[in-house]
Amino acid sequence: AQKITQTQPGMFVQEKEAVTLDCTYDTSDPSYGLFWYKQPSSGEMIFLIYQGSYDQQNATEGRYSLNFQKARKSANLVISASQLGDSAMYFCAMREALYNQGGKLIFGQGTELSVKP
Amino acid sequence: NAGVTQTPKFQVLKTGQSMTLQCAQDMNHEYMSWYRQDPGMGLRLIHYSVGAGITDQGEVPNGYNVSRSTTEDFPLRLLSAAPSQTSVYFCASSYGNQETQYFGPGTRLLVL
Repeated sequence: AQKITQTQPGMFVQEKEAVTLDCTYDTSDPSYGLFWYKQPSSGEMIFLIYQGSYDQQNATEGRYSLNFQKARKSANLVISASQLGDSAMYFCAMREALYNQGGKLIFGQGTELSVKP
Repeated sequence: NAGVTQTPKFQVLKTGQSMTLQCAQDMNHEYMSWYRQDPGMGLRLIHYSVGAGITDQGEVPNGYNVSRSTTEDFPLRLLSAAPSQTSVYFCASSYGNQETQYFGPGTRLLVL
């Protein structure tokens, strides 16, 4: 069973509008971390935002915020005021704490975001 | 501060050839890892290291070797390249295995 699910293969958003990228996860580990990475067409993986499973407040980093709904096991990324440079592939990832000596990140399939001028 | 660097950026190999993908970081991170990215499969962990002299296998280790003689460097060796190893390879590092991982720019490998 997939542990990280991103149901939107591709999305379009108008420049300056907000957009939400969906991510749901599955784990029985009470301690875990959730991450979002951006991969532009140049190929590098850029860290955007992190949310710990015990964090009481939703994480925010500039125009990025993470809508964390623990009971629903969802960790959606919200990008406010979209810019043309936001066009990229976005990956949601999870790291479980138990039995994870390797610190392995489990990635979703990604969502390709296109920002229209 | 260059962060995580990888060389080469692109490589073409013939089946059976061997090569080493280089990874270096200048952030004094203890933890380093190698992932491969295949279309439709996301990134998967190949090998990781929690410090100099300590390495272990990840999810897809077959056909790859690693070593960690210094904190800065973590090379990945392909022993006998196969077409199934055509992929994009990412090196990542962090202060610890429960900290945020920062990725290098990737190496695109094509095995013919």
